[in-house]
Amino acid sequence: NAGVTQTPKFRVLKTGQSMTLLCAQDMNHEYMYWYRQDPGMGLRLIHYSVGEGTTAKGEVPDGYNVSRLKKQNFLLGLESAAPSQTSVYFCASRTSGGETQYFGPGTRLLVL
Amino acid sequence: QQQVKQSPQSLIVQKGGISIINCAYENTAFDYFPWYQQFPGKGPALLIAIRPDVSEKKEGRFTISFNKSAKQFSLHIMDSQPGDSATYFCAASHNNNDMRFGAGTRLTVKP
Repeated sequence: NAGVTQTPKFRVLKTGQSMTLLCAQDMNHEYMYWYRQDPGMGLRLIHYSVGEGTTAKGEVPDGYNVSRLKKQNFLLGLESAAPSQTSVYFCASRTSGGETQYFGPGTRLLVL
Repeated sequence: QQQVKQSPQSLIVQKGGISIINCAYENTAFDYFPWYQQFPGKGPALLIAIRPDVSEKKEGRFTISFNKSAKQFSLHIMDSQPGDSATYFCAASHNNNDMRFGAGTRLTVKP
């Protein structure tokens, strides 16, 4: 039981490049979340999903897109990366009846 | 504008002492108040959480105090240990989806 895993662990992009971050969970959780963590700002919710095929905007959705084609995977896409998207990205998941969000280990993204 | 304000930014406590971290929120619709602990290079992990129908919740050395009228809640770590050294985040949400986090407190417990 791996819990929540994130791929890749670290990535460097040039401004304007695109990439996709993958989050996978093997706990059969219905709800999945993408956060970004910046120094002095805590975590901020980007997008979330309450089930396969559904997505919703969080606090800071601009510049990001998401997809939940399979229950166990939640993808975060950056179509045209900007230096302001340099951050650590965390994925989390939980059951529909539970309160605890389980976080992955994070992806560190540097946009030059 | 941050909906959850956390203080202090950093805290240094001697081993065996009490660590206290405070948070204040604005949105009265919030109904779930968790605290997360994060070690360097790791994702946050839920430490303890409270709902507004109780004023205090204790789990081992960790206690949440909640003041609904003041819209404030705090984390108390009793008998603080060097292994407690980490960054602590308070958070608040309505229905546990749109979670709003505080900026974090870096706790250092000196041996």
